[in-house]
Amino acid sequence: ETGVTQTPRHLVMGMTNKKSLKCEQHLGHNAMYWYKQSAKKPLELMFVYSLEERVENNSVPSRFSPECPNSSHLFLHLHTLQPEDSALYLCASSQDRTSTGAHRTYGYTFGSGTRLTVV
Amino acid sequence: GQQVMQIPQYQHVQEGEDFTTYCNSSTTLSNIQWYKQRPGGHPVFLIQLVKSGEVKKQKRLTFQFGEAKKNSSLHITATQTTDVGTYFCAYSWGGADGLTFGKGTHLIIQP
Repeated sequence: ETGVTQTPRHLVMGMTNKKSLKCEQHLGHNAMYWYKQSAKKPLELMFVYSLEERVENNSVPSRFSPECPNSSHLFLHLHTLQPEDSALYLCASSQDRTSTGAHRTYGYTFGSGTRLTVV
Repeated sequence: GQQVMQIPQYQHVQEGEDFTTYCNSSTTLSNIQWYKQRPGGHPVFLIQLVKSGEVKKQKRLTFQFGEAKKNSSLHITATQTTDVGTYFCAYSWGGADGLTFGKGTHLIIQP
C-alpha cells in the first residue's frame, strides 16, 4: 500500500449514471490531486486542492465535480460522462508547504487508481 | 508558451545495456521530479532536483539537472528486467499549481 487508497479499483458506468470516486491519504499531507491517464494523453492534471481549497481547475468539463471535505479525503463526482472519459483516474497527495508555511514542491504519492469504463 | 519535451517516447534495449531519457524545457524550471510507472501500476516518485547542475545517484540510476535548469536526464546503467516501465519527468512553475508531467519514455528490455 502506498498510503493513498483509492476506491473502487474498477468502475463501469453508463452515460446517464452518477458515481463517485474516493481517495483517502494517511500520510499527513496537506495537498491532494486528481489526474487522468489515458493512452492518448498520459497524466493530465485535473484538480488541485491545497489546505482543502481548490487552487487549480485546468478547464475540466463540469461533468467532473471534485470535493475535498478535509485534508485526508478527496472525491471525484461523475455524471453524464462520455465514452472518451474512459481512463485511469489517479489520486495523489503531497506536502506543498514548508514548516513556516511557504510554498514548496515535494514528491507526490499516488494511489493505485480507478479504472473507469464509460459505456 | 512554456514547453517541456520528453524524449525518446520509446526505447528498446538489450538487458545489460544503458538507458537515458531526457526532458528539455524552453524556459527555466524551478525544479524537476522523476517518476517510474510499472506496467499496470501507478507512478512512483524517484527523486527531485532543485539546484543548477545537480547530480544525484540511486544505485544504477543517475539524475542530472542542467546548469541552466532547462534540461534534465535520467540514466540507468546496465538495465535489468525490473527496470521495465515508463519514466516520467514532472515539473511545476511554482506556487500551488500542481505538477505537469512529461509524456514519458517507455523502456522495453529484451532479454
